[in-house]
Amino acid sequence: GIQVEQSPPDLILQEGANSTLRCNFSDSVNNLQWFHQNPWGQLINLFYIPSGTKQNGRLSATTVATERYSLLYISSSQTTDSGVYFCAVYSNYQLIWGAGTKLIIKP
Amino acid sequence: GAVVSQHPSWVICKSGTSVKIECRSLDFQATTMFWYRQFPKQSLMLMATSNEGSKATYEQGVEKDKFLINHASLTLSTLTVTSAHPEDSSFYICSAARLAQSYEQYFGPGTRLTVT
Repeated sequence: GIQVEQSPPDLILQEGANSTLRCNFSDSVNNLQWFHQNPWGQLINLFYIPSGTKQNGRLSATTVATERYSLLYISSSQTTDSGVYFCAVYSNYQLIWGAGTKLIIKP
Repeated sequence: GAVVSQHPSWVICKSGTSVKIECRSLDFQATTMFWYRQFPKQSLMLMATSNEGSKATYEQGVEKDKFLINHASLTLSTLTVTSAHPEDSSFYICSAARLAQSYEQYFGPGTRLTVT
């Protein structure tokens, strides 16, 4: 089956720093989604992005489907950005999840 | 738009009792709902997929008699953990999708179950 790998597994940054999270996937996929899971467990949809680039405020994502990777950019980090960021790809209608990147933003 | 709620947000129950968790799509009709389980420091594990009006499809290794899923309407799915044991303690998350329009899943806030 499809494998999804995220890197880095952990990231600790100071408030105000920028970061790039990476998601590699092993086969062609229908679509890809980035999520932020906050410390209370709520999963927040960040981007639903099969290809190209999308931006939402300080966050942006780029998926290069032909090369089987996606990047999530976080600029000017805030402490509220802390949590786990998951990448998940769609195989038919089911989601295949990466292991996540745990991000800690220090004040 | 695309808001999904879960109730309760947390529950503590005794071994041997049953617990029902509700998942509702508040502002859209969900043809398909998904139930996930998440262990600490891990990603989500799909338990089952349910379509309105039909039996749920369970993933390999998930006991269908222990985790009863009912998708009674286009806005409501329930997960009942029967005869709960401490090993059933976990974070349960549902999601909803309108597969005819898009694969995108919208997630509920999760239910933390503790079995004592």
